Amino acid sequence: RKEVEQDPGPFNVPEGATVAFNCTYSNSASQSFFWYRQDCRKEPKLLMSVYSSGNEDGRFTAQLNRASQYISLLIRDSKLSDSATYLCVVKSNTGKLIFGQGTTLQVKP
Amino acid sequence: GAGVSQSPSNKVTEKGKDVELRCDPISGHTALYWYRQSLGQGLEFLIYFQGNSAPDKSGLPSDRFSAERTGGSVSTLTIQRTQQEDSAVYLCASSTMLTETQYFGPGTRLLVL
Repeated sequence: RKEVEQDPGPFNVPEGATVAFNCTYSNSASQSFFWYRQDCRKEPKLLMSVYSSGNEDGRFTAQLNRASQYISLLIRDSKLSDSATYLCVVKSNTGKLIFGQGTTLQVKP
Repeated sequence: GAGVSQSPSNKVTEKGKDVELRCDPISGHTALYWYRQSLGQGLEFLIYFQGNSAPDKSGLPSDRFSAERTGGSVSTLTIQRTQQEDSAVYLCASSTMLTETQYFGPGTRLLVL
């Protein structure tokens, strides 16, 4: 079993749609959680950290369920520019970041 | 400001040759990471340096892979006797202890023929 698992997609949605990505992790000792975004043939960039109480940044909402070892990312009012691969990232207590395979989103006009 | 830089940006080599990939982290960042990303795949952790601590080498796929970080700054990833399956994008990232955010370099695209 992979340490961080994501549905690779692709998710094809129309502009304006709401889309949600899920991620599960296996190590209950994991300390921190993040969503990164990676555009085609580019390096990953931090989208947002994920806090236990849930957090929102504009159209993006991230949630963490430690009991179920589950992380989610919700994107509202999808834009064409949201098309990318979204990487779920978990930081272990040793400081190592474990990346999920990524979920590909394609927003269509 | 200056971000993480990597060189070369592209490298084509023949099977069996050794290659060296370089990473210049953001000045002042104490943590440095190497990852490998094969086509259409996620990031595979290779090695992690944190300050003066012993590096976490648990992700290195074989003893042909090694990395060092001199003076707590620049890092070199060396692949000896390259194989075709080593072809991938090699990404370097750095971070501070405080922010945890990893800043990635543009990567080195390695192709082993």
